[in-house]
Amino acid sequence: SQQGEEDPQALSIQEGENATMNCSYKTSINNLQWYRQNSGRGLVHLILIRSNEREKHSGRLRVTLDTSKKSSSLLITASRAADTASYFCATGSGGSYIPTFGRGTSLIVHP
Amino acid sequence: DAMVIQNPRYQVTQFGKPVTLSCSQTLNHNVMYWYQQKSSQAPKLLFHYYDKDFNNEADTPDNFQSRRPNTSFCFLDIRSPGLGDAAMYLCATSILAGETQYFGPGTRLLVL
Repeated sequence: SQQGEEDPQALSIQEGENATMNCSYKTSINNLQWYRQNSGRGLVHLILIRSNEREKHSGRLRVTLDTSKKSSSLLITASRAADTASYFCATGSGGSYIPTFGRGTSLIVHP
Repeated sequence: DAMVIQNPRYQVTQFGKPVTLSCSQTLNHNVMYWYQQKSSQAPKLLFHYYDKDFNNEADTPDNFQSRRPNTSFCFLDIRSPGLGDAAMYLCATSILAGETQYFGPGTRLLVL
């Protein structure tokens, strides 16, 4: 069963705007990871945030984690057309470290 | 430099004809994973290896088998592909279970 669920399922914005997507999960976690997938390609790791961390940054990406609400968010600032992709969160569940993926958020950035 | 390589990138097979997909890694990672991803769906874990220890997901069909002859290589064998097995197959590695995964470009399988 899926541990993480992303929201929204689809997001359409203009270049230069910020994009925020959320991930909710059900059971306690060791870490939570965000990945990007361009159409028809493999997944690319973006950020891993551990359960004792609240926020991490990487370039234009900002990830937050709220373990009390069992949720995480991924913020992409000043979006570009090249950010158009699907974004997935992944985390272990049921005591397993093996991550399972949510359905993803499909982001379209219009130039 | 490619770190996780999957061959072939596209594979066409006939209904019921066995097919093997391959994955190799240059990262020397302990864990290797195989995922199945259908259009607009989440990657679904089929199985993973921790070194030589094989771990099968409970809902992975018996039709799917895997081999890991050494650290670098892992194979996915589909014994009798059905139309429902048409999908993207993704291989990934990580140094430890649950840590950052490095994915290959995927093999898209078409079953005729």
